[in-house]
Amino acid sequence: DVKVTQSSRYLVKRTGEKVFLECVQDMDHENMFWYRQDPGLGLRLIYFSYDVKMKEKGDIPEGYSVSREKKERFSLILESASTNQTSMYLCASSFSGFGNQPQHFGDGTRLSIL
Amino acid sequence: RKEVEQDPGPFNVPEGATVAFNCTYSNSASQSFFWYRQDCRKEPKLLMSVYSSGNEDGRFTAQLNRASQYISLLIRDSKLSDSATYLCVTGGGNKLTFGTGTQLKVEL
Repeated sequence: DVKVTQSSRYLVKRTGEKVFLECVQDMDHENMFWYRQDPGLGLRLIYFSYDVKMKEKGDIPEGYSVSREKKERFSLILESASTNQTSMYLCASSFSGFGNQPQHFGDGTRLSIL
Repeated sequence: RKEVEQDPGPFNVPEGATVAFNCTYSNSASQSFFWYRQDCRKEPKLLMSVYSSGNEDGRFTAQLNRASQYISLLIRDSKLSDSATYLCVTGGGNKLTFGTGTQLKVEL
């Protein structure tokens, strides 16, 4: 069974702080993704990565950066947290291959910025 | 216009009923299609892939109409445990695009 583990289920931070969200997968997946999910807006892609040290912007990258130093780990960084970044953050991973492979999600991190 | 559109519901149905959800997508280049299930305050989980010829998994049947660009999910003999939000998902260009989901409530 695929296991995607996010470092925290709940996190409370203050405006202006630098925030790190960590994600680890154990299935040797090439692709990893960070989304945020807000009521009425669904899942929106922030950043994704096809390989180590490689990253691509998603639909809403502003205010975020990512790091992928090892294949199994993909970190999301909020450079200077703001209240509009309060959200549910979901990490996902998938194999590469023909067509699009389904993505497997971690439990999510509920982040509140005060 | 959203790339993937779904009726948000909620669909309230009695236990044992058959219920169907549709979704439409705008990107004709979409190559892969899925249904995910998301329980309240939990992560999305893959329910099933959707193939051009249609496919079935137990009580769940998925259909794809590429010409009309819509995808359907049929749930037969609904159970209380089927209560959740069902996300329609399309794939293309190495990314997945998620609909905002249809909420299903199965009642006694």
